Amino acid sequence: EAGVVQSPRYKIIEKKQPVAFWCNPISGHNTLYWYRQNLGQGPELLIRYENEEAVDDSQLPKDRFSAERLKGVDSTLKIQPAELGDSAVYLCASSKGGQLGFGGANVLTFGAGSRLTVL
Amino acid sequence: AQSVTQLDSQVPVFEEAPVELRCNYSSSVSVYLFWYVQYPNQGLQLLLKYLSGSTLVKGINGFEAEFNKSQTSFHLRKPSVHISDTAEYFCAVSDQRFSGGYNKLIFGAGTRLAVHP
Repeated sequence: EAGVVQSPRYKIIEKKQPVAFWCNPISGHNTLYWYRQNLGQGPELLIRYENEEAVDDSQLPKDRFSAERLKGVDSTLKIQPAELGDSAVYLCASSKGGQLGFGGANVLTFGAGSRLTVL
Repeated sequence: AQSVTQLDSQVPVFEEAPVELRCNYSSSVSVYLFWYVQYPNQGLQLLLKYLSGSTLVKGINGFEAEFNKSQTSFHLRKPSVHISDTAEYFCAVSDQRFSGGYNKLIFGAGTRLAVHP
């Protein structure tokens, strides 16, 4: 089966410019996650979707970040305007429901990530 | 709240030598534990997971990990490493309880394994 697909893989922008990242999860995975990974650190959750509903966005900086998953399948994460500190890798992941470990098989599967550099 | 501590930020090792990457966690409840690997410019790939049962878990690429509840540890081991094992390794923990219908995965800061010829 196809994995989690993300685009673009790399993006370089000037500060104050907008940027958007796209993610298509594994078919049948109704739970979608956006993580941010700063250099030398582990991923940190930004937002989690159950189908089209954002059910955990407590770590999303809502003044400049927004996300949507309109039809409950693919998702877009947007930053406007970008700041220097937003330089990071943005990882999308998906799972069959939000109960990780349930049934012995439900795990997060990650995409290859989108590396953002803000100059 | 849960937390994960990966005790070594970098581990250099020679090819064919054994390696252990250390992971300790903090949680007030029972947990699920995971190790992920991230090769350069790639996403995270699941190496292995502990959900229940045997405390010794075997994963892909010859890796294994042992869950030690009394020491709250989940160290990753490989008896003989290859150059191709050079990557970043992340330990992660989640509650076995599903609060609000889901559990959150918390990652450590990662350990960079550098295998030298």
